[in-house]
Order: sequence, then C-alpha cells, then structure tokens
Amino acid sequence: AQKVTQAQTEISVVEKEDVTLDCVYETRDTTYYLFWYKQPPSGELVFLIRRNSFDEQNEISGRYSWNFQKSTSSFNFTITASQVVDSAVYFCALEPGGSYIPTFGRGTSLIVHP
Amino acid sequence: DADVTQTPRNRITKTGKRIMLECSQTKGHDRMYWYRQDPGLGLRLIYYSFDVKDINKGEISDGYSVSRQAQAKFSLSLESAIPNQTALYFCATSDNGAHQYEQYFGPGTRLTVT
Repeated sequence: AQKVTQAQTEISVVEKEDVTLDCVYETRDTTYYLFWYKQPPSGELVFLIRRNSFDEQNEISGRYSWNFQKSTSSFNFTITASQVVDSAVYFCALEPGGSYIPTFGRGTSLIVHP
Repeated sequence: DADVTQTPRNRITKTGKRIMLECSQTKGHDRMYWYRQDPGLGLRLIYYSFDVKDINKGEISDGYSVSRQAQAKFSLSLESAIPNQTALYFCATSDNGAHQYEQYFGPGTRLTVT
C-alpha cells in the first residue's frame, strides 16, 4: 500500500519569505510517480509537476523548485520569495507505475500575508 | 470552455434523497475518477473508470454508485444521501497510454446534506 504524508497542516508566512512544503512517501514499488497539485481559494486543483522514480534531478520553474530524494523518500516543494497569490492548499501525490491510481496526501495550506 | 465540467456546482439536499452529480470532459481521455475532499483528509478516491465498460471501486465507495454513459461522461450517484456525505466532490480525467500522467480536475461540486 502507498502512503503520502504531508506533516505540515498549515504554514503561514509573510510575502517574500521562502517556504518549503514537505512530502514524505511510502511505497514498495520500484517504479512510481510523484506529483504536486495546487488548489487555490477558487477550489479547482491544478497540476504543478510530475516526477518519476528514476529521475532524481531537482527541478526549478520560476520561483518554484522541487527536491526529490529517494534516500529519504521525500519530494519537497520550495517557493522562493513567496507572494500572496501563492496562498493555496498544496497536495502531494504518489502513483505506482502502471496503476493510474494516485494516493494523495492530506494537503498543506499555505497562507502568504502581504 | 473548461475541459472538465461538473454539474451542479452547488447542491443542498435532504437526508434520504437520491442525488446525481455529473461530469463531462472534452479532453478525449479514457480514464475518469471521482474524489471527495473533506477538510484535513485530502482527496479520497470514490470510483474510477478506465474505459466505458470498466468501473472500479475506490477507497470509499460505500453509499455511492457511478455510471459511465460514454467516454466523455461519468456520473456519481448518492442513492440515499446522509449528512456525512457533505463534502466537496471532484471529477478528474487522465490521459490514455502506458505512462502516468497528471490528472485534470473539474471545478468541484459542493454538496450539503441536511
């Protein structure tokens, strides 16, 4: 069985601070995929990134970066110089290869104050 | 127009009533999913379908049923609604093929059972 833990229920920061959202996963599969989704106050979930288990390269997209470490079963998400528009609930998800069924974490609510 | 649509967007119903939530997609995806979101619990899978003739139970299918009327349509029914089915419901689709792709979510249906 798969498990995704997002231990931070809520994080509150002031604009321009850097913030890291943690995601720890458990799986016995050797092939799996990790995802991050953003749910802004409007409610709709938006895909941010997908990573497969064979690619541990970190990824940067603008102010967003992701750190995938198989040794610690973590896939953490960092927002640099946070902005009010980053306020949202962020979900990490794990999908075993070939299953097409993701397991979601409980989400981390990020509040960025002006 | 949105690629994944859900109707209704909001619904208030009484205990014991039958209710149907509808999902339509224009993405041409075979895979469709229904989730519910409760505060602090993340997204939990109710049912999923990988093609028109394929229906599978998810983590929390009790009290729900589904119908895949066409590739583009996937409906969720609550045969006899109860208050603990009050939640935000999401339909999602994902791409076909052998790879793990991200999910595309509808805007959600907020259901209140009184």
